[in-house]
Formats: sequence, structure tokens, C-alpha cells
Amino acid sequence: EPEVTQTPSHQVTQMGQEVILRCVPISNHLYFYWYRQILGQKVEFLVSFYNNEISEKSEIFDDQFSVERPDGSNFTLKIRSTKLEDSAMYFCASSGGRNEQFFGPGTRLTVL
Amino acid sequence: SQQGEEDPQALSIQEGENATMNCSYKTSINNLQWYRQNSGRGLVHLILIRSNEREKHSGRLRVTLDTSKKSSSLLITASRAADTASYFCAPGVGNEKLTFGTGTRLTIIP
Repeated sequence: EPEVTQTPSHQVTQMGQEVILRCVPISNHLYFYWYRQILGQKVEFLVSFYNNEISEKSEIFDDQFSVERPDGSNFTLKIRSTKLEDSAMYFCASSGGRNEQFFGPGTRLTVL
Repeated sequence: SQQGEEDPQALSIQEGENATMNCSYKTSINNLQWYRQNSGRGLVHLILIRSNEREKHSGRLRVTLDTSKKSSSLLITASRAADTASYFCAPGVGNEKLTFGTGTRLTIIP
């Protein structure tokens, strides 16, 4: 069964460094999303992406964040200058247009 | 999108028993989804029910939707230890973002 994959599973970085989180959505899906979950808190929406552009973003998704679909398979989330409060699980999701969103296993980002 | 409110916040049952959890929402929807999250893991899509459906089954899962009461329920029959997880509902309109609440934390006691 097709699934969303994410790499790396765990990323440790120093505050102020740039990180790129990678996702491979399900191949025929058209809608892509990033969410994050700070330890012990709710899953929060960050950004949605459709037709090669951002369709919606949350207040969390400030200028330090960017997304890109560099080729036909990858979908990336870049954090330019990480802060301690960016430590969280980051989940990528994709949808084929029938509303169901399928989530990847997540990348645990630890900012030291 | 809107956030669903799951109830109860926590539920503990014996293995083999049925588990029922509820979801309420505030404004009209086109569909409602249920997700499961095992501790520290990703969300797993369980089932989607559309606003013109009243009940839907998938394996041991039964979902109901009452649009007049703006509520949904998820029934897991013959529970197993592997069902231990948090369960979330996500009321929605289209291919928009999902907004998750705090969920129902289900514990299956062996």
C-alpha cells in the first residue's frame, strides 16, 4: 500500500542552523501539507501546498519557514535559522483530492 | 477547517470490550475524518464519513454521523492491545488543513 515517507527520522541541530526536512508524498497525490507537534501538545497545521504554490499557511509559518517541491516526488520544509522552540515532531501529509490526508511517520527535530 | 472536540478525554477498557468515543463540532461540514496516533508516531487515517452518510463501517470500526446534532461517534469493537492510542476527529469541508483537538486517549487493558 502506498505511504508517505519522511527523512530523516531524527534531526539534531544547533540553534541558528538551517534544516531541511524531506517528504515523499504518495505518488499521484496533489495536495501536500506540513504539520508539527510539540511534545505533549496538539498537532498543529503549518502549511498546505497545491499546484506548486502555498494555498494556506498558519501564523507559525513565518519567514523562517519555506516549502518546496523541487521535483515530481519530494516535498521539503526548510527552517532557515532554527530556534529552541522549533523542537517538535514534523509531519508531512498528502491527499489525492478526496479529502483524506495520509501522514508520514514524522521527523523529530531537536534544536540545541 | 474547525476543531472537533473529542469525548471522553481518556478511556480505559478491558481487551475484548467495545470502545466508543464521541466528537462534536460547531459548523456545517462536508465530511468528518477519524485518525489514530500511537504515542510519538504519525497519524493514521482510519475512516472518512461524508455529510450525506449516517453510518460507515471499516473492519472493527463503526462511525456514525448526526449532522443535526453536529456529532459523530467512533466505535471500536472487540478491542485489542494494539488499539491503545489517541483518537482524533477532524471535521472538514474540502481539501483544507485539518485542525486537531486533544483527542481521546484509549487504553486497552490486557
